Amino acid sequence: ETGVTQSPTHLIKTRGQQVTLRCSSQSGHNTVSWYQQALGQGPQFIFQYYREEENGRGNFPPRFSGLQFPNYSSELNVNALELDDSALYLCASRPIGEGTEAFFGQGTRLTVV
Amino acid sequence: RKEVEQDPGPFNVPEGATVAFNCTYSNSASQSFFWYRQDCRKEPKLLMSVYSSGNEDGRFTAQLNRASQYISLLIRDSKLSDSATYLCVVTAHEKLTFGTGTRLTIIP
Repeated sequence: ETGVTQSPTHLIKTRGQQVTLRCSSQSGHNTVSWYQQALGQGPQFIFQYYREEENGRGNFPPRFSGLQFPNYSSELNVNALELDDSALYLCASRPIGEGTEAFFGQGTRLTVV
Repeated sequence: RKEVEQDPGPFNVPEGATVAFNCTYSNSASQSFFWYRQDCRKEPKLLMSVYSSGNEDGRFTAQLNRASQYISLLIRDSKLSDSATYLCVVTAHEKLTFGTGTRLTIIP
């Protein structure tokens, strides 16, 4: 158990809808990052939050947005869902600093129909 | 060109054999390097960090060549429990970039 928990574990949404995914970081970890993993691919970096501010973003459109709360938990919001958004969404937490180990949650499997 | 490239496999290897994975990265500013392991339908977990001097953890040996921007992982005396996808991970400015992963199956 990594101490990083994500909810929900599975979700089915209709194209065009909006979704919110949640992540509770491991105690003492102030940095949370989100990844999208399509089937057969490695995780793709969406964005990272440090002390409630976004401090890095991958090549994802603005309809992917997020928040980090004072307790370091985080949300990923996706608007106007598309079929290609179907994937495993992973949250990882770690202490700030280059080279620190990232601990992943079990992921949320999103299916867009 | 992808930032981190790996041979996706699959590698089907008999139990007890030695297997090697390679990974190349394109960002010369990369600062930290890791191998993660991901079991089917599970989250990635850190297998080992990779240091310039090379490092070993039991049956696993990792090597880094900064000049060639190349990382390797060697697994000796492979076990059935080693079957998984192995992800090469490179960080720059605290952003983790993953390779596609190499799928390994150990055959009894």
